[in-house]
Amino acid sequence: DTAVSQTPKYLVTQMGNDKSIKCEQNLGHDTMYWYKQDSKKFLKIMFSYNNKELIINETVPNRFSPKSPDKAHLNLHINSLELGDSAVYFCASSAPPTGMDTGELFFGEGSRLTVL
Amino acid sequence: TQLLKQSPQFLSIQEGENLTVYCNSSSVFSSLQWYRQEPGEGPVLLVTVVTGGEVKKLKRLTFQFGDARKDSSLHITAAQPGDTGLYLCAGARGSNYQLIWGAGTKLIIKP
Repeated sequence: DTAVSQTPKYLVTQMGNDKSIKCEQNLGHDTMYWYKQDSKKFLKIMFSYNNKELIINETVPNRFSPKSPDKAHLNLHINSLELGDSAVYFCASSAPPTGMDTGELFFGEGSRLTVL
Repeated sequence: TQLLKQSPQFLSIQEGENLTVYCNSSSVFSSLQWYRQEPGEGPVLLVTVVTGGEVKKLKRLTFQFGDARKDSSLHITAAQPGDTGLYLCAGARGSNYQLIWGAGTKLIIKP
């Protein structure tokens, strides 16, 4: 069973379109994340949700809107796609920290978005 | 400003050689994680170090957390082609344990 699954794995679309990426985790974790990994492989957090509530919202254009219908799902909707949005988007989840240990992040396989 | 600097950015060596990857910061972290990412997949946790000076071993991989909890290193002994991948360090800080990520070290082990 896949712990964190995201769909689609590949997405090719035209500039200006709107697209969504879905994410589901079956680990029972309270916290979910969206990360963006650019062509240089730098991993940058975009959003974090804890029990369906937004707790981290980094400097991300408001064309990006996350939605968490329940704590097992965190979807990412992107409006008016731009060339610079091309990247691999990773969903992740984690259990609450224990002591000083942050808790392991479990990542999905990534969704490669290409904007033409 | 990169809060967590990883070096080297890229390393290509022959099978059997040893190597060390560094993760350095001027900030103190409550804990530090090392992940490995293979092409087409998400990062997978290798280890978490929590205590200053801590050393953890995972087969041929040795992880060390600096005494001041500002830096960490990953040493691989007798590297194998299966060690090839992108190695990422991530430090936890702040009340919400938000992770700060290094830029990664791309490691290629040639047979």
